[in-house]
Amino acid sequence: DTEVTQTPKHLVMGMTNKKSLKCEQHMGHRAMYWYKQKAKKPPELMFVYSYEKLSINESVPSRFSPECPNSSLLNLHLHALQPEDSALYLCASSQDLGRGEQFFGPGTRLTVL
Amino acid sequence: GQSLEQPSEVTAVEGAIVQINCTYQTSGFYGLSWYQQHDGGAPTFLSYNALDGLEETGRFSSFLSRSDSYGYLLLQELQMKDSASYFCAVRDPDSGYSTLTFGKGTMLLVSP
Repeated sequence: DTEVTQTPKHLVMGMTNKKSLKCEQHMGHRAMYWYKQKAKKPPELMFVYSYEKLSINESVPSRFSPECPNSSLLNLHLHALQPEDSALYLCASSQDLGRGEQFFGPGTRLTVL
Repeated sequence: GQSLEQPSEVTAVEGAIVQINCTYQTSGFYGLSWYQQHDGGAPTFLSYNALDGLEETGRFSSFLSRSDSYGYLLLQELQMKDSASYFCAVRDPDSGYSTLTFGKGTMLLVSP
């Protein structure tokens, strides 16, 4: 299994809603990442987990809350988002930190109304 | 800090060869990666060069010159399905080289 899966594919939420994005990989990778990508822009790193511990938080607002329940799963909890948070949210994994090769999931297209 | 420069757009015709350049300025360097992303899709890893020279994988090749802080992605026998955005990326010294910083991307348009 060389795949990273993400659910849901699309999500529309209001500014007062709470929702969660889910990511799963079964490649035995020890590093997992959340990226945000706006149209016509490169992926922008949000969080990095290494061995299930938060390794890097790129000064992301607290309305985004990551969680790594186990080595295969990564969640991103969303609360009180703003319309400017609408974007494609990508999950990725790599064998460990510092790899040039990362495997990306298909992403969740988030729209905040 | 680091910065990567790549052309915003490149156009070519089917069957042609195209080269997408990437120059980088980093406080340290470990290697250069290339990713392909189709519209609405996820980035897909293409190649990683840590050492100088050319790496070939099928129709795609990637080149690195560390002394020139320069690399390129070469796509041969272009097909319509190669129309996509291509990102170069370096390992970020500010994160202890544990993460990737992406260039702004080059949109490749292949026409019949």
